[in-house]
Amino acid sequence: GESVGLHLPTLSVQEGDNSIINCAYSNSASDYFIWYKQESGKGPQFIIDIRSNMDKRQGQRVTVLLNKTVKHLSLQIAATQPGDSAVYFCAENWNTDKLIFGTGTRLQVFP
Amino acid sequence: DGGITQSPKYLFRKEGQNVTLSCEQNLNHDAMYWYRQDPGQGLRLIYYSQIVNDFQKGDIAEGYSVSREKKESFPLTVTSAQKNPTAFYLCASSITGTGAYEQYFGPGTRLTVT
Repeated sequence: GESVGLHLPTLSVQEGDNSIINCAYSNSASDYFIWYKQESGKGPQFIIDIRSNMDKRQGQRVTVLLNKTVKHLSLQIAATQPGDSAVYFCAENWNTDKLIFGTGTRLQVFP
Repeated sequence: DGGITQSPKYLFRKEGQNVTLSCEQNLNHDAMYWYRQDPGQGLRLIYYSQIVNDFQKGDIAEGYSVSREKKESFPLTVTSAQKNPTAFYLCASSITGTGAYEQYFGPGTRLTVT
């Protein structure tokens, strides 16, 4: 398959544990944030998004936390499964017509 | 099924040749985007279009060209002027071009130029 990131930061977790993937965003004026999951050789897949008027948003097994004070975004995955292994990207928007993507974090899940 | 299709999945070309990558969506989205992805880097925006017959340069437009003659289609041409064209190319679409909504991605095209 394709290698989407040879030198990405990597998070290794055991199956069943919770995972926390962090993202430091660049612009204090950003008001929309989104997390994507990208499996090897595939296009990014939407996980969850959040707007700046919220601090927390929950989906199925995932939670996104937004700390605007320190410009930090995190993605929490509960009960991590082997199928969660992928590269995870955060992206931000600040009243422009573009999303700005981070470089990504590789999540490895081992049995 | 609604979605975005990109073809082909793998593409090989000789240096000096232009090549066109296909992107089609049936989501009725107004905005479409082209990104380039290299190992160890995030997605970099090449071109985007918020409406038919209009498009804007992204951060790395040099050596690329696009057209948006139909709402459903946004083909990308990698020209011989692109100095390092080998990469994974991703097309995306969004309801609007405001940037503040989810972008839906296609499966990507891996271009190798030798």
